[in-house]
Amino acid sequence: DGGITQSPKYLFRKEGQNVTLSCEQNLNHDAMYWYRQDPGQGLRLIYYSQIVNDFQKGDIAEGYSVSREKKESFPLTVTSAQKNPTAFYLCASSKSPGQVLKDTQYFGPGTRLTVL
Amino acid sequence: QKEVEQNSGPLSVPEGAIASLNCTYSDRGSQSFFWYRQYSGKSPELIMSIYSNGDKEDGRFTAQLNKASQYVSLLIRDSQPSDSATYLCAVIRDKLTFGTGTQLKVEL
Repeated sequence: DGGITQSPKYLFRKEGQNVTLSCEQNLNHDAMYWYRQDPGQGLRLIYYSQIVNDFQKGDIAEGYSVSREKKESFPLTVTSAQKNPTAFYLCASSKSPGQVLKDTQYFGPGTRLTVL
Repeated sequence: QKEVEQNSGPLSVPEGAIASLNCTYSDRGSQSFFWYRQYSGKSPELIMSIYSNGDKEDGRFTAQLNKASQYVSLLIRDSQPSDSATYLCAVIRDKLTFGTGTQLKVEL
């Protein structure tokens, strides 16, 4: 059963704490992405990775960090430097970085992070 | 000007009617266009992709693209209550850029 999994589904964090969101895919996709979604706003790109051990900042990378040690995994760390981290976080993947202009992205179920 | 613009709605249509969702984009170099459906509290689900001018049909869904007018639309025929969701338009130039979505309500 192929797909993208994200865990946990809900996450609560105290201010000042770092937290890591998991994203795993078994679709054999090369590219992976992290977005955040806030009410009334479109999805905004945080980071993306087109190959293992390489990643690029998106539009709102400040306060976030990522790693891509395995093709299947692309964890996102929300650091204490992120000023407003409460949001819905979505991980996505696409098949081939070489086809990025026409490459369809598929989304995981998301993690809802709330900072208390 | 926003890169991808959609009317936030809500757009209300009666069951069985045609729902028409519209999207405009600012970058003439955009090459790929997508419609995602997002139910409340859930992640976006791809329903249509279109790359060339004209219409593309898939079941009850038809995507229409007009690059000269920088306009892409989604028609949903025989609308059902289960179609009630937010529909996100997304466009690829250098990266995938989303609109803020149109909320569709299909009423019994």
